[in-house]
Amino acid sequence: EPEVTQTPSHQVTQMGQEVILRCVPISNHLYFYWYRQILGQKVEFLVSFYNNEISEKSEIFDDQFSVERPDGSNFTLKIRSTKLEDSAMYFCASTAPRGVYEQYFGPGTRLTVT
Amino acid sequence: RKEVEQDPGPFNVPEGATVAFNCTYSNSASQSFFWYRQDCRKEPKLLMSVYSSGNEDGRFTAQLNRASQYISLLIRDSKLSDSATYLCVVNPPGTYKYIFGTGTRLKVLA
Repeated sequence: EPEVTQTPSHQVTQMGQEVILRCVPISNHLYFYWYRQILGQKVEFLVSFYNNEISEKSEIFDDQFSVERPDGSNFTLKIRSTKLEDSAMYFCASTAPRGVYEQYFGPGTRLTVT
Repeated sequence: RKEVEQDPGPFNVPEGATVAFNCTYSNSASQSFFWYRQDCRKEPKLLMSVYSSGNEDGRFTAQLNRASQYISLLIRDSKLSDSATYLCVVNPPGTYKYIFGTGTRLKVLA
């Protein structure tokens, strides 16, 4: 069964450093998303992406965040200058371009900012 | 009113019991609703979409009540493996985002 994959599974970085989180969505999906989940809190929408551009972003997704689809398979989230409060699980998801747009999630990247 | 609201629980039920969760949403024009399951420190996994006519998959039944703006999830014959957090998700109309509830924690006890 096709699945969304994410790398790395855990990333530790120092405050102020840049990180890039990587995702490979399901191959025939066209809509891609990033979410974050701070420990003990709910899953929060960050950004949606379609046809090589951002469809929608939340107020969390400020100028320190960016997304890119550098090739036909990868989808990346870059955090330019990490803060302590960026420590969270980051989930990538994708949906097929038809039907009820069910989202399928990757296993997540745990980001720890020290 | 929060966009998506759930009772956080926990709901502690014995094996074999029937348990139901509700989730309320604020945007009456919302059309797409989902239930996800999340195990501790894992990704959300799609349980089922919620259709206007209701949806059943084995022991799980989802219903939509538009008049009162809530969706429900019923689990029959609970198993130990059903212990997890159940997330209600709504896609507001005209948006490309999905709003998650805080989740309802279920513990099925032997």
